[in-house]
Amino acid sequence: EAQVTQNPRYLITVTGKKLTVTCSQNMNHEYMSWYRQDPGLGLRQIYYSMNVEVTDKGDVPEGYKVSRKEKRNFPLILESPSPNQTSLYFCASSFNQKVDTQYFGPGTRLTVL
Amino acid sequence: GESVGLHLPTLSVQEGDNSIINCAYSNSASDYFIWYKQESGKGPQFIIDIRSNMDKRQGQRVTVLLNKTVKHLSLQIAATQPGDSAVYFCAEWQAGTALIFGKGTTLSVSS
Repeated sequence: EAQVTQNPRYLITVTGKKLTVTCSQNMNHEYMSWYRQDPGLGLRQIYYSMNVEVTDKGDVPEGYKVSRKEKRNFPLILESPSPNQTSLYFCASSFNQKVDTQYFGPGTRLTVL
Repeated sequence: GESVGLHLPTLSVQEGDNSIINCAYSNSASDYFIWYKQESGKGPQFIIDIRSNMDKRQGQRVTVLLNKTVKHLSLQIAATQPGDSAVYFCAEWQAGTALIFGKGTTLSVSS
């Protein structure tokens, strides 16, 4: 089954404790992206990657890092989480930047205390 | 900053009615637009898209209209069903890389 998986689905942590949210897709997609979704603000792009070892900033990259060492995985790293990073995070992937076939993961709800 | 927005945060309709969800965009250089549906507890799901060289595109029970003159996008859902209840987002594709989402309209369908 074609899918994008994220782990964990729910996470509560404390300020400053480094964390990683994993994202994996099994569709051999080149393009992957991370979004955060906040009430009243909709979905905002954090980082995206057009291929292995190619990453770029989206609209709200501050406080986040990503890596793309292999095609299927695109982890989101919060080196020192802060309460304003409490949000719902979605990973998405698509083939050759064709966003019409962009698949979204199920989401990760992160709370930073 | 946010360049895509929706006119109404909520829309309530009766089952069987036609629904129209609107979206305004600000970047005249955007050349690709998408509508997504997001059900509670799930990620956004692609509904329909349209390119800037078109003004109308139809899918199954859905139609997207694009008016480039006033930079307006709309999603029409025919014979709305309770299963259509969700949050609907328009998204604007800029420069081939950044996908900018609007804030969303919550559609509630009552039977």
